[in-house]
Amino acid sequence: DAGVIQSPRHEVTEMGQEVTLRCKPISGHDYLFWYRQTMMRGLELLIYFNNNVPIDDSGMPEDRFSAKMPNASFSTLKIQPSEPRDSAVYFCASSRNTGGGTQYFGPGTRLTVL
Amino acid sequence: AQRVTQPEKLLSVFKGAPVELKCNYSYSGSPELFWYVQYSRQRLQLLLRHISRESIKGFTADLNKGETSFHLKKPFAQEEDSAMYYCALRNYGQNFVFGPGTRLSVLP
Repeated sequence: DAGVIQSPRHEVTEMGQEVTLRCKPISGHDYLFWYRQTMMRGLELLIYFNNNVPIDDSGMPEDRFSAKMPNASFSTLKIQPSEPRDSAVYFCASSRNTGGGTQYFGPGTRLTVL
Repeated sequence: AQRVTQPEKLLSVFKGAPVELKCNYSYSGSPELFWYVQYSRQRLQLLLRHISRESIKGFTADLNKGETSFHLKKPFAQEEDSAMYYCALRNYGQNFVFGPGTRLSVLP
């Protein structure tokens, strides 16, 4: 198993542009999480899904951020329009309901908004 | 509000010395606590869970509810232990709260 897959690994864009980050969870995992990591705020949970349904999006910073999970093997995190303060590493993670809380993280997407 | 604190941003120790990474939490219920580690150029991964009472790579962590702490310890640090360590609390459901992380540097 390749583990959690994220694309792209690096994204550089200009302020105002739309950014879409993608994630493929581990097959058979019920939960999918999106995190943002910055030097100032550390690792923050943005949103998580259970069986493709968003359960808690209280960490989503603004309406500019949206996340979808159209099926069990794919999720997107979209920022529209992007701003320089959105620059961060975005991680996707997945877990099994019976996994005792163990999360498996993807390699992350490093986003730079100029 | 649920919160996890790790007071040290950076901790440097010499190889063979004991190491303790501090973690304190605030949570009103019965917490589930975890330590995650990120080695250089690798993914963030689970190191250990308090519920398992296990020792992984020589590390142990004991939940102290009285002091609301979950410090990570190892009696003899190795150079390969150098990494970023995150303490995490599982909140309601699957809501995780991570601490800011401590970078451990084990010097030769």
